Amino acid sequence: ELKVEQNPLFLSMQEGKNYTIYCNYSTTSDRLYWYRQDPGKSLESLFVLLSNGAVKQEGRLMASLDTKARLSTLHITAAVHDLSATYFCALRRSNDYKLSFGAGTTVTVRA
Amino acid sequence: DTEVTQTPKHLVMGMTNKKSLKCEQHMGHRAMYWYKQKAKKPPELMFVYSYEKLSINESVPSRFSPECPNSSLLNLHLHALQPEDSALYLCASSQDPKRTGNTIYFGEGSWLTVV
Repeated sequence: ELKVEQNPLFLSMQEGKNYTIYCNYSTTSDRLYWYRQDPGKSLESLFVLLSNGAVKQEGRLMASLDTKARLSTLHITAAVHDLSATYFCALRRSNDYKLSFGAGTTVTVRA
Repeated sequence: DTEVTQTPKHLVMGMTNKKSLKCEQHMGHRAMYWYKQKAKKPPELMFVYSYEKLSINESVPSRFSPECPNSSLLNLHLHALQPEDSALYLCASSQDPKRTGNTIYFGEGSWLTVV
């Protein structure tokens, strides 16, 4: 069974500082997804990482994938208040429809 | 247009009621999904339809009955639910079920309360 572990589960950020969310997984995976969820809202797709060494950036968020270490990171640069949300990583293996989610990291950005 | 539309947004139903949740996408996606999400938890897969055929049922109780009338529509029929079934129900779709690298798009969800 594919297991996905995110840490930390809660992250209090100070505006302007940099932080990283970690996503470890247990078995070989083809695809690594990052989603954002605002309270009471649906999931917004942030990144899809397809191969070892993949790095994608959008605004203050940058995601990377190391398939050998079975690790993905979501790096937040110079946090701002509107990044407050819950962030999920999720994995999908080839020939498998199932998206296995991590527990989520709840991010709060304070002034 | 990367939109998955779900109706209703909120539903309150009694344990003896029959109701349905509806999902629609016009992106030409051939895989559609139902997920259930409890508060402060990640989404859990319930069903997957691939090319309008049920591909995965994650051991979901029969009081939940999915239906895919055509490639754009996905329904979830609800009957004799329990209060513990109260949750956010998310519909999602992706382009090609056989290509795992496709983005999976989620709808806004339907908040279900069973009383």
